Amino acid sequence: GAVVSQHPSWVICKSGTSVKIECRSLDFQATTMFWYRQFPKQSLMLMATSNEGSKATYEQGVEKDKFLINHASLTLSTLTVTSAHPEDSSFYICSVSGGVGTGELFFGEGSRLTVL
Amino acid sequence: AQKITQTQPGMFVQEKEAVTLDCTYDTSDPSYGLFWYKQPSSGEMIFLIYQGSYDQQNATEGRYSLNFQKARKSANLVISASQLGDSAMYFCAMRQEYGGATNKLIFGTGTLLAVQP
Repeated sequence: GAVVSQHPSWVICKSGTSVKIECRSLDFQATTMFWYRQFPKQSLMLMATSNEGSKATYEQGVEKDKFLINHASLTLSTLTVTSAHPEDSSFYICSVSGGVGTGELFFGEGSRLTVL
Repeated sequence: AQKITQTQPGMFVQEKEAVTLDCTYDTSDPSYGLFWYKQPSSGEMIFLIYQGSYDQQNATEGRYSLNFQKARKSANLVISASQLGDSAMYFCAMRQEYGGATNKLIFGTGTLLAVQP
């Protein structure tokens, strides 16, 4: 299956700063990537669908100006949390679409963000 | 709208015994896929098993099997011969599978499984 790598795996930042999280598909050209957020002891909530070469599609309630997504190549999507606040502290996970009907979707290892 | 329901927040099972994790879903889509993922404390999402809505047979992957009852809209995960390493959070998920579908997953709230020696 596809190998998906996220970086950094964890990050601590000060309130008001911006943080960039990278999601790389190491052996698969991904036209679509998904960004999820998981608060402690909760489920994964889809934030946005990242489309290569076009604007991301955000889920209802997710601020596109706060969570900037760039999918500039078939192997890299980035999520930037702008002006981070403590309530943005969460586990952010990306996944790569292998295409409809292929079964498995491939997830990165996740990035744990802590905003102080 | 799609919805996944996992009614068991937590479960205990004795090592070497079988355990069933419940999952029900609601969708009006004609074609969809159902997934189970395991999330250990490290946070990674580990794919376990997949069932397509038009698959005639229940999916099996080693010690994992999916009890798919389409009319009841349930997709329970059965883990046979539980091992200590099976202790983790388990998520049921669903995606649309037809032309034009976005391929995004909708997750249930999860079930925390604890395997006791």
